[in-house]
Amino acid sequence: DIQMTQSPSSLSASVGDRVTITCRASQSIISYLNWYQQKPGKAPKLLIYAASSLQSGVPSRFSGSGLGTDFTLTISSLQPEDFATYYCQQSYNSPYTFGQGTKVEIK
Amino acid sequence: QVQLVQSGAEVKKPGASVKVSCKAYGYTFTGYYLHWVRQAPGQGLEWMGWINPKSGVTKYAQKFQAWVTMTRDTSISTVYMELIRLRSDDTAVYYCARETRDVYNRPTFDIWGQGTLVTVSS
Repeated sequence: DIQMTQSPSSLSASVGDRVTITCRASQSIISYLNWYQQKPGKAPKLLIYAASSLQSGVPSRFSGSGLGTDFTLTISSLQPEDFATYYCQQSYNSPYTFGQGTKVEIK
Repeated sequence: QVQLVQSGAEVKKPGASVKVSCKAYGYTFTGYYLHWVRQAPGQGLEWMGWINPKSGVTKYAQKFQAWVTMTRDTSISTVYMELIRLRSDDTAVYYCARETRDVYNRPTFDIWGQGTLVTVSS
């Protein structure tokens, strides 16, 4: 199985900050990487697919990049509604494993 | 409105089985694979498998192969996920999620159910 490792596990940031979350795969997954946002008590929501494509309706302050084994999710200017947990997921092959999550908290 | 609506919370004893349903609204049920993902309390997301609602063909993660069954009823646009021989560490929220294909023809999960909490306790 492909292991997905996110860093950091949590971070504290202020409204307006630029935030970057990293996801590393245990082998090359080309660009087959998705990012999800999950708020407490809610289902995950798709933000980014194919490493860098923005899902319809998602604000443009979210962006993704990367290729091979190393990927990043960037929030250019953190907004109050962005405080949540973020997960990466590889879609290279099944099982479609997720990272352990990065919790973004208010500083 | 495109949505997936899941059945309500369940409490089961160890060794029992549970069957969770996921009903699709607002789109062609047989046009999209449906996946199941679970999340233990305070933990991350774990992919369990998928079902093709059109054919009924399934694929399970190896971890779940011996004790999960996914089925569907096309007449009511509903998929089911049944877990047998429940253990306390099966306590989790179980989500169904619709698969769409990205530009590389890889799966993404664009619509999720609201989740069903299954509690396994003696």
